Amino acid sequence: QSALTQPASVSGSPGQSITISCTGTSSDVGGYNYVSWYQQHPGKAPKLMIYDVSKRPSGVSNRFSGSKSGNTASLTISGLQAEDEADYYCSSYTTSSTWVFGGGTKLTVL
Amino acid sequence: QVQLVESGGGLVKPGGSLRLSCAASGFTFSDYYMNWIRQAPGKGLEWVSYISRSGSTIYYADSVKGRFTISRDNAKNSLYLQMNSLRAEDTAVYYCASSSSSSLFRYWGQGTLVTVSS
Repeated sequence: QSALTQPASVSGSPGQSITISCTGTSSDVGGYNYVSWYQQHPGKAPKLMIYDVSKRPSGVSNRFSGSKSGNTASLTISGLQAEDEADYYCSSYTTSSTWVFGGGTKLTVL
Repeated sequence: QVQLVESGGGLVKPGGSLRLSCAASGFTFSDYYMNWIRQAPGKGLEWVSYISRSGSTIYYADSVKGRFTISRDNAKNSLYLQMNSLRAEDTAVYYCASSSSSSLFRYWGQGTLVTVSS
């Protein structure tokens, strides 16, 4: 199972919006609404930010939103804040009854 | 609150074995799906294995199939990963992750480092 494709890095200024893409295939992202997104600060465990494509767990800011079109899912962060600077990973369930992660995207807040 | 605490990591020689444990608290363990996920130093996340609430359904990544065994003891609120025939490429921080839904990883432990080196 190949990893999902994410851009290596994205950046934005405080207050701006950014979008991180996550491209898979019809066997994973395109085949199920089981895409989730995780935020990871250096030296810390990942944190769930979005699940089932667009749902937010309790406690996660509504500045984070998710969507999907075909084989590509997206995470949008609006009103960028300094504390949003982190690595972001997407994940999807697959037809092989396994889970696959993206390679990760480093978000820099300028 | 939900707490997951991994243990059992350490330095092991190639071909060796190690057993990781994950102690759960703050939730009804038997109601939650459990996973092991790893992260090699400086690399991304890699899903390793899944076990259903009762332990009757188990899945593995191809990279560990036949070498790793996941199990759980609901009476002890614990998850395990028996790792055999370890290779250098198994070097990583291993996280346990839980969720009441099988499609996501809601809660994560702090991880335990496994280093495979001679």
